[in-house]
Amino acid sequence: AQSVAQPEDQVNVAEGNPLTVKCTYSVSGNPYLFWYVQYPNRGLQFLLKYITGDNLVKGSYGFEAEFNKSQTSFHLKKPSALVSDSALYFCAVRDGVYGQNFVFGPGTRLSVLP
Amino acid sequence: EAGVVQSPRYKIIEKKQPVAFWCNPISGHNTLYWYLQNLGQGPELLIRYENEEAVDDSQLPKDRFSAERLKGVDSTLKIQPAELGDSAVYLCASSLGGWRGSTGELFFGEGSRLTVL
Repeated sequence: AQSVAQPEDQVNVAEGNPLTVKCTYSVSGNPYLFWYVQYPNRGLQFLLKYITGDNLVKGSYGFEAEFNKSQTSFHLKKPSALVSDSALYFCAVRDGVYGQNFVFGPGTRLSVLP
Repeated sequence: EAGVVQSPRYKIIEKKQPVAFWCNPISGHNTLYWYLQNLGQGPELLIRYENEEAVDDSQLPKDRFSAERLKGVDSTLKIQPAELGDSAVYLCASSLGGWRGSTGELFFGEGSRLTVL
C-alpha cells in the first residue's frame, strides 16, 4: 500500500526567502504525486502533479516540485515566499496509472512572516 | 465550469441526531470520493464511487454512516446517529476516473463542517 510522509508539521519562512515543504512517499510501481494547498475553511486546491517526464514540475502560484526517485521524495519549493502563501500543504500519492486511490500526507503548515 | 458543490457548509447538531451532506461533482466526472478531515490533519478516505457503484467503502463506519450515489451523479453521505467524535470536515472530491487512462487530479469541494454537541 502507498503512504506519504511530511516530516515537518510546521515550516516558518520570511517573506521573500525561498521555501521548501518536504514530502517522501512509498508506493509499489511508478509514483503519481500531487501537491495540494488548503486555506482556512476551504477545500483543498490542486497545485501541481508529477506523472512522468521532467523531474522538476511547475505548478500554480509560482510553486514547483522536484521528484527524486532515488530518495523517494517530492519536495515543494518556491523561490520567493509571499505572506499569502501561508496555508496548509498536503502531499498525496496515487496508486498507478489506472488507480484511483489517493493517499494524503498529514500536512505541513507553512507560515510566511512579513 | 462549476466546481464540486457541497452543502451545507456548516452544520451543528446534538449528539444522536441524524445529519446528511450533499455533493454535486464536476460534470462528467465519474469518480466521486468522500473524505473525512479532522482539524489540522490530512483527508482520510471514507468511500469512493465509480459511477453509481461504491468500489471502496472499507473505511466507512457502516454502523452509523451510509452513502449513496443515485444515477451516478450527486451523492449523499449520512450519519445516524451522530456522535461527538464525528465532529470534523467532510470533503467531497471528484475526478475523471482511471479507466480513461486519466492522470487527473482530484477536485475538492469546500467541505461541510460538522459540529456535534
